[in-house]
Amino acid sequence: KAGVTQTPRYLIKTRGQQVTLSCSPISGHRSVSWYQQTPGQGLQFLFEYFSETQRNKGNFPGRFSGRQFSNSRSEMNVSTLELGDSALYLCASSSGTGHREEKLFFGSGTQLSVL
Amino acid sequence: GESVGLHLPTLSVQEGDNSIINCAYSNSASDYFIWYKQESGKGPQFIIDIRSNMDKRQGQRVTVLLNKTVKHLSLQIAATQPGDSAVYFCAENRHTGNQFYFGTGTSLTVIP
Repeated sequence: KAGVTQTPRYLIKTRGQQVTLSCSPISGHRSVSWYQQTPGQGLQFLFEYFSETQRNKGNFPGRFSGRQFSNSRSEMNVSTLELGDSALYLCASSSGTGHREEKLFFGSGTQLSVL
Repeated sequence: GESVGLHLPTLSVQEGDNSIINCAYSNSASDYFIWYKQESGKGPQFIIDIRSNMDKRQGQRVTVLLNKTVKHLSLQIAATQPGDSAVYFCAENRHTGNQFYFGTGTSLTVIP
């Protein structure tokens, strides 16, 4: 079974630009979550999608958005990039049954650098 | 404020020794915990999980202990190997659906 796939692996953008990151979950998984990882803040929850609907949202500004498609693939978008958005963006998938005790399986992430 | 924190940011052990990585949490409502291992250039890898109705759970070479009284979680790695060198995170679920709160991580270095 293939794992969580994230593309691209690396991105370099400049301030003010926008970026779209892609995530394909494990086959059969219906929930996709996004996390931001930085050396200073660690892993922070961005949002979770299930059945094309945002089910949960973290404390990030509206510049961070996402969506999920009918095949469970997900994208996240960051608009008007700031230097502080430089981070590793991780996607995680889970079965999506809604039970709290769901294991999250992570992809390798997209390393975003904002110059 | 509430947080998930680790007692030690770095840990060095000799190959073959046992490793213990600690994690403190402050939310008594947290009822599900996961330990992850993250190697350089990779995403976090699931190691082991434990529910709050358990005190101990064992896997292959790993054991997780949960002490709800003092809100403390630990990961024990038996016979630590060089391939165990990585950053280890504890993550807790605080009754907020599928959202997890992660600790800041402990970097484990195994000395050959």
